[in-house]
Amino acid sequence: EAEVAQSPRYKITEKSQAVAFWCDPISGHATLYWYRQILGQGPELLVQFQDESVVDDSQLPKDRFSAERLKGVDSTLKIQPAELGDSAMYLCASSFTLNTEAFFGQGTRLTVV
Amino acid sequence: KQEVTQIPAALSVPEGENLVLNCSFTDSAIYNLQWFRQDPGKGLTSLLLIQSSQREQTSGRLNASLDKSSGRSTLYIAASQPGDSATYLCAVSGGSNYKLTFGKGTLLTVNP
Repeated sequence: EAEVAQSPRYKITEKSQAVAFWCDPISGHATLYWYRQILGQGPELLVQFQDESVVDDSQLPKDRFSAERLKGVDSTLKIQPAELGDSAMYLCASSFTLNTEAFFGQGTRLTVV
Repeated sequence: KQEVTQIPAALSVPEGENLVLNCSFTDSAIYNLQWFRQDPGKGLTSLLLIQSSQREQTSGRLNASLDKSSGRSTLYIAASQPGDSATYLCAVSGGSNYKLTFGKGTLLTVNP
């Protein structure tokens, strides 16, 4: 069964260091989402791509976060420099297009120390 | 701005009981509503998707209903099992970019 792949599963980094997460969506899915989930809360959208174009990054802290999906397939989310408050689960999801079922990966648990 | 509320925040039931989880949203101009399950430390698993033109969807012991005009959805779980223990999240798709907005979830515990 097709899955959204994310790596790494876990990441511990020191404050002020750079960190990057990778996501490979289900083949053929045009829409890709990055969400951040703080423990006990619902996921919050950071950035949404349609193919290689950003369609929503209104909640992305652009002074330290960046995201790209250069060929409209896999995507990378980067944080530089990491802060203690960035500790959270980072979830990637994909859907065939904008109004179809979204499928999530297993997430990357980030701990900033 | 769309806001999604899930009640109750936590629910504990004995095995075999039927139960209902609630989801409400403030902006009724949605395209669809999706229910997810999340196990501790894991990603989200899609359970059911209801398009805005639909009233309900069923999958096995799960039945989800949608009343778009009143901004409400319910997830009905029949004959609950300990394996159903997880956090259940609802999300609505809306706006020009079909943005998915989530509630905080309901933590369900089914006791053997």
